[in-house]
Amino acid sequence: SQTIHQWPATLVQPVGSPLSLECTVEGTSNPNLYWYRQAAGRGLQLLFYSVGIGQISSEVPQNLSASRPQDRQFILSSKKLLLSDSGFYLCAWIDRDNSPLHFGNGTRLTVT
Amino acid sequence: GQQVMQIPQYQHVQEGEDFTTYCNSSTTLSNIQWYKQRPGGHPVFLIQLVKSGEVKKQKRLTFQFGEAKKNSSLHITATQTTDVGTYFCAGPYRGGSGNTGKLIFGQGTTLQVKP
Repeated sequence: SQTIHQWPATLVQPVGSPLSLECTVEGTSNPNLYWYRQAAGRGLQLLFYSVGIGQISSEVPQNLSASRPQDRQFILSSKKLLLSDSGFYLCAWIDRDNSPLHFGNGTRLTVT
Repeated sequence: GQQVMQIPQYQHVQEGEDFTTYCNSSTTLSNIQWYKQRPGGHPVFLIQLVKSGEVKKQKRLTFQFGEAKKNSSLHITATQTTDVGTYFCAGPYRGGSGNTGKLIFGQGTTLQVKP
C-alpha cells in the first residue's frame, strides 16, 4: 500500500534561518506531488506542484522554493525565513488525474 | 480567477442536531471532492462526486453535487462528537497545460459539536 512520510512534525525557526522540509512517498511511482500551506484557522493554499523529477511549478510568489530530486521525494526550502512563513505545511500526492489527494501528517512551522 | 467558496465558516451544534455545509464554485467543475480535517490533523479524503445531480451517502453523511456542477453540499444527520473538524470541498483547477491534478480548496467549514 502507498504511504507518505513528512518530517519534521514540528519546527521552530528564527527569522532569517534556512528551511528544509522533506516528503517521500512509498508504494507508487511517478506520482504528482504537491506542497500546500495552511495558515492558522484558514484554508489550504497550493504552493508548488510537480508532475515529474526536476519539474516544479510555483503557484504563488514567495521566498520558498521546491525541488524534486527523485521520483518520490519532494523538498520545500527557504534560504531565509520570514515571520509570515509560519503555518502548517502539507505534502500530498496523487497517482492519476482527478484521483483524491493523499496528505502527509504535515509540519507545523513557527518562525520566531 | 477561479474560486471555491464555502459557507458557513463555523458552525456550533448540539450533539444530535443536523449540520450542513455548502460549497459554491465560480466555474463548472468536472468533479468535486470532500475532505475532513480533525483538529491538529491533516485533511483526509471523504468522497468524490462526478455526475450532475449526484447524491452519495456514507452512513450519516449525505453529499450532493448540483445539476449545474457548480455547487455541492455535505449534510450530517444527528451529529456526534466524532464529527468535529473542518470540512473542505475541492475542485480541479481549470486551464493550464496538461492535467496536473491540482485542486482548489474552499476555505472550509469548522464544525463544533457540544455533547
